[in-house]
Amino acid sequence: NAGVTQTPKFQVLKTGQSMTLQCAQDMNHEYMSWYRQDPGMGLRLIHYSVGAGITDQGEVPNGYNVSRSTTEDFPLRLLSAAPSQTSVYFCASSYSGQEINTGELFFGEGSRLTVL
Amino acid sequence: GQNIDQPTEMTATEGAIVQINCTYQTSGFNGLFWYQQHAGEAPTFLSYNVLDGLEEKGRFSSFLSRSKGYSYLLLKELQMKDSASYLCAVMDSNYQLIWGAGTKLIIKP
Repeated sequence: NAGVTQTPKFQVLKTGQSMTLQCAQDMNHEYMSWYRQDPGMGLRLIHYSVGAGITDQGEVPNGYNVSRSTTEDFPLRLLSAAPSQTSVYFCASSYSGQEINTGELFFGEGSRLTVL
Repeated sequence: GQNIDQPTEMTATEGAIVQINCTYQTSGFNGLFWYQQHAGEAPTFLSYNVLDGLEEKGRFSSFLSRSKGYSYLLLKELQMKDSASYLCAVMDSNYQLIWGAGTKLIIKP
């Protein structure tokens, strides 16, 4: 099983450029989410989705957009990249955002983004 | 505000036992999770506690005291491959995960 697949793994952008981080999962998970991880800080939730057609904001949504047209895919769009968005981004999925038994999130390998 | 505290870094010796503590203050509680993250890799799930007490899974055990807002992860018979960061996370009343910054565990021979 592929699990959660993220692309690209590495990306360098210039300030003001836009890009999309792709995330796909083949586990039929309803819940998908995007986190960013910065040194010395916990994972911070950017956006999440509890099913196709449903998205919601997390802790740090500004500067990012998401959509969920299918159960499998949950792309993250950076609208106008800023140096503050330099980070490692993780996509994660689970069986459900609520009433989950173990809370196990399945993470993609991460996308390392540098904004110059 | 919501807060998860865990030590930044710990060092232990191969073959020994180490305990990584986590204290939390959150809006509601729907479970506490531990994840392992090797450098440059994604976090992977280790354990889940929602009731008080100890959950044992092989060399790893996790303890929870809800009244004290406290958990620990106990790693026995340490191996070099256990060198990683250990992330504590609490699910709040809105079923959102609040993450600690992680504890970097260094294992020495």
